[in-house]
Amino acid sequence: QLQLQESGPGLVKPSETLSLTCTVSGGSISSSSYYWGWIRQPPGKGLEWIGSIYYSGSTYYNPSLKSRVTISVDTSKNQFSLKLSSVTAADTAVYYCARGILDYWGQGTLVTVSS
Amino acid sequence: DIQMTQSPSSLSASVGDRVTITCRASQGIRNDLGWYQQKPGKAPKRLIYAASSLQSGVPSRFSGSGSGTEFTLTISSLQPEDFATYYCLQHNSYPGTFGGGTKVEIK
Repeated sequence: QLQLQESGPGLVKPSETLSLTCTVSGGSISSSSYYWGWIRQPPGKGLEWIGSIYYSGSTYYNPSLKSRVTISVDTSKNQFSLKLSSVTAADTAVYYCARGILDYWGQGTLVTVSS
Repeated sequence: DIQMTQSPSSLSASVGDRVTITCRASQGIRNDLGWYQQKPGKAPKRLIYAASSLQSGVPSRFSGSGSGTEFTLTISSLQPEDFATYYCLQHNSYPGTFGGGTKVEIK
């Protein structure tokens, strides 16, 4: 059974870089034909797809966040990662990782931007 | 960008009711649409993919229909465990975009 698990700091200061990692178990990132993505949800609000990456490194990003987002993959660790720079309070959200067209999701991790 | 307009934003219904939620795309997306259920504090769970295909393990009271720009999620007989927020997601253009959500509450 495929499982995804997000990890990373739960508190980030304004103007700094948010960094999260998603660890995939029960399947290999590099042996499947899926993209692997990040989605976020501010408290009490809707869902926003941040971007996704293929095991080869090909990426696509939400245009509204593109200038601040980097998604990378480490196939040796079966992980992919999210970096979001210059964060503000508006980036406070639950961050989820997911597979492909979002059939499998991690449980999510709350990241708060505050000094 | 493709915009997804979901309606209603909330509804009150009773156990046993038939419930219909609609998503409209700002341009044609073929059948590149999924429906998700989210309960408080949990990750979204996919119910429907390719507009009308039922995800494995999802009860048959859930169904999806539509193609192009108009899509519908129907719950044929609402059960207590169905009270949640529902989202549509288009993935015709990447990254995809979600509808604003429909909160289904107990009447």
